[in-house]
Amino acid sequence: DQQVKQNSPSLSVQEGRISILNCDYTNSMFDYFLWYKKYPAEGPTFLISISSIKDKNEDGRFTVFLNKSAKHLSLHIVPSQPGDSAVYFCAARHDDYKLSFGAGTTVTVRA
Amino acid sequence: EAGVAQSPRYKIIEKRQSVAFWCNPISGHATLYWYQQILGQGPKLLIQFQNNGVVDDSQLPKDRFSAERLKGVDSTLKIQPAKLEDSAVYLCASSLSQRQFYEQYFGPGTRLTVT
Repeated sequence: DQQVKQNSPSLSVQEGRISILNCDYTNSMFDYFLWYKKYPAEGPTFLISISSIKDKNEDGRFTVFLNKSAKHLSLHIVPSQPGDSAVYFCAARHDDYKLSFGAGTTVTVRA
Repeated sequence: EAGVAQSPRYKIIEKRQSVAFWCNPISGHATLYWYQQILGQGPKLLIQFQNNGVVDDSQLPKDRFSAERLKGVDSTLKIQPAKLEDSAVYLCASSLSQRQFYEQYFGPGTRLTVT
């Protein structure tokens, strides 16, 4: 049962432009959402998070937007840099602190 | 600060064989997680420990998978016997506590191929 979905398996963007990654969820009881970044042969690393009581959280070049009515969140990376090329996972927290992950979106930043 | 260590990094076995993975979490982290990541999917939690006690193993196929965390530090995950569908990356993660779920630090993973 996929409760967190990332429908775009890949995204290619020019360096300096905006990257927008999308994530949809089905469980309205999720109360915290996170984005993880993963380079090849490494484990995922925490990138940014947002509580369900907020609609926006910003950290440098990374901004996460949450639309609870649509059960949708997005990650914006502005401007995109070559080092941002990685797999990005969306995750959501259950009330028992477990995380459900999406399948990931592979971002390629072109020079 | 040393990160989460895992070994081996790669393992190839034949179906019906046994395999074990080892994880050493970040020092002082009470909570330890084992995830299975099948190609093209996100990580799926198999088992979560709080110190040396199991908090959640609802998605662990207990007929073939087992895990332990003796003394609340290192952990091992075992598969016996392995099936083709067990081919995946097995990720270990740790956090200071269960409440600090967002600060899960992941190891590099063990890539298992079952032939």
